[in-house]
Amino acid sequence: AQTVTQSQPEMSVQEAETVTLSCTYDTSESDYYLFWYKQPPSRQMILVIRQEAYKQQNATENRFSVNFQKAAKSFSLKISDSQLGDAAMYFCAYRIPTSGTYKYIFGTGTRLKVLA
Amino acid sequence: DTGVSQDPRHKITKRGQNVTFRCDPISEHNRLYWYRQTLGQGPEFLTYFQNEAQLEKSRLLSDRFSAERPKGSFSTLEIQRTEQGDSAMYLCASSPGTSGGRNTGELFFGEGSRLTVL
Repeated sequence: AQTVTQSQPEMSVQEAETVTLSCTYDTSESDYYLFWYKQPPSRQMILVIRQEAYKQQNATENRFSVNFQKAAKSFSLKISDSQLGDAAMYFCAYRIPTSGTYKYIFGTGTRLKVLA
Repeated sequence: DTGVSQDPRHKITKRGQNVTFRCDPISEHNRLYWYRQTLGQGPEFLTYFQNEAQLEKSRLLSDRFSAERPKGSFSTLEIQRTEQGDSAMYLCASSPGTSGGRNTGELFFGEGSRLTVL
């Protein structure tokens, strides 16, 4: 069964510093997508960054980048130059592109606090 | 605003009552998902529609839960004979299929419908 594990329930980072959120997953598939979603307090979840498993290059979106280690089934999110607005729950998610149902599986989340 | 909208945003009900939530996805999206999220947890998959067809239901979805998407547009999630364990945030999300819009794999979420069962 596919599972997604986020082992850090909560993380703190000083404003302008860098923080890395961890995610591991379990799958027997070779072709899949990985995502990081952000859920601010009382706001809807939004996509931060996505990675296609067949791409070796790590995805980057402005201050957000991933370290995708396919063999280790690891997908960590690095936030550089942290800002107060980055404070939120962050969820790692996994999707099989060929499952037919395109079901997404989410981890339990990491709450990120940004300290001024 | 053309995002995913959910209604109501909050619902308080007594145990044993029926509740219905509505989701209006982004208009060109043919895929629609329902998830349930409890405090401190990630979203748990409940069910998935492609157009009007319900293609998958989670084992989490007991017989008291039913979802529809009659015309392939909006969707409803009904919970009958609510129990206190049903208290959660019910999230709707949509995404474009391969035939309509560029499919980046991204899910677009609504703000959720929070259910409290007393």
